[in-house]
Parts: sequence; C-alpha cells; structure tokens
Amino acid sequence: GAGVSQSPSNKVTEKGKDVELRCDPISGHTALYWYRQRLGQGLEFLIYFQGNSAPDKSGLPSDRFSAERTGESVSTLTIQRTQQEDSAVYLCASSSQPTLAGERNEQFFGPGTRLTVL
Amino acid sequence: KNQVEQSPQSLIILEGKNCTLQCNYTVSPFSNLRWYKQDTGRGPVSLTIMTFSENTKSNGRYTATLDADTKQSSLHITASQLSDSASYICVVSGDGYSTLTFGKGTMLLVSP
Repeated sequence: GAGVSQSPSNKVTEKGKDVELRCDPISGHTALYWYRQRLGQGLEFLIYFQGNSAPDKSGLPSDRFSAERTGESVSTLTIQRTQQEDSAVYLCASSSQPTLAGERNEQFFGPGTRLTVL
Repeated sequence: KNQVEQSPQSLIILEGKNCTLQCNYTVSPFSNLRWYKQDTGRGPVSLTIMTFSENTKSNGRYTATLDADTKQSSLHITASQLSDSASYICVVSGDGYSTLTFGKGTMLLVSP
C-alpha cells in the first residue's frame, strides 16, 4: 500500500471491555512497531515485530496488552479489560529492515487509533 | 533514567520568520537522534537523523544541529510557512528498541 494504515481511526469503549486495534504496514516491510501516545506525553515504545516474531515486548505496560502479527503483514494490538488510563493514541510504524539503534532505517508511521475508555 | 526534554512547549511565530527548537537528552549510551514532524491527527514523519559524529543535517528549510558533548540538539526552521504548524518531536536512540526515548514535542503555530 501507499503507507501504513490503522483501523479504526477512533474507538470509544467502556471500562472493562476488550479492544482490538489493527495495523497494516507498508507492503514488504518486515519490521513493525507499536507505540502509545498519551495526551501531553511523548510516544512510548510498546512492542517490536521482526517478521511474525516479537523480539522485544519490553514496552507492554501490563499483561492486559498483547499483540500478534500474521503473514508478515497485518498486526493487531489487543487490550483486555480496558482501563481509563489506557486512553491514548496508539501508533503503528513499519520499516523495511529492523531499525536497530545504530542504524538509519526510517520508521514510517500510521495515523494512529485514538482510544477513549469511558 | 533516559530522558528527552524539549523546549519551548509551544511557540507562535509569524509566517516568514525563523525559529529554533531545543532538545536536551540524557540517553546513554547514545546512538542517534531524530527529529520528527507530527501534524495534528497524523503519524510522525522523519525530518532528520544524526549520529554521534554528525554536527549538522539539513532537509530543505529544516536544519538540525547536534552537540554530543553537551547532549543538546536544535532544529532551526527558516522562512516559516503555515504548513510548518505541527508538533516537532525529538527522539533519541540508545542501544535497543526499548531505549527509544521520545520528547513530548514542541507545538509550533505559524500565524499569517
């Protein structure tokens, strides 16, 4: 595709419900990243996929958060039993190669999903 | 603790004027520093990336500087345009994905 797409663009849910957020990376990009952006805060790294495996899950804030990626393309981020503090914009990014800290490979970001937990 | 501090928090300038945004960081070890532009409701878009050995990097009207000794970076915008109105985010990489540290951004508004 032309860029990284995410769906839904907006999600309003009630506290305690589960939500699934979807990310479609740029075709051919093997690396995929999830970030969270709370209001007035910087982005927080959540998880990184290389292909279908997740070498780094260290940013997931609790066991209510999980993510998977199938077919080296689409990824879903699932939040179970949502809490009000989960309200944020969830951003997905992809890159053609793993963006190790020392490398220049650029991450391309999607528009994000704005999650509001009432 | 790895931190990235940006200043000012917000800035209003007149169209055509120049401005400079600041970024101070404490990420260690340091690998590279990136500046992103994030339009409202959109994902961040990379403007520049600099490694330890680079002092200056330009991208059109955007010029970033890096002083790895003082751990400071700046983003200078020349001849601002209305389309420059956005949040500018400084991101510093350490030695792993979990060390990617994002600043809170500077919200720039260019006024006609």
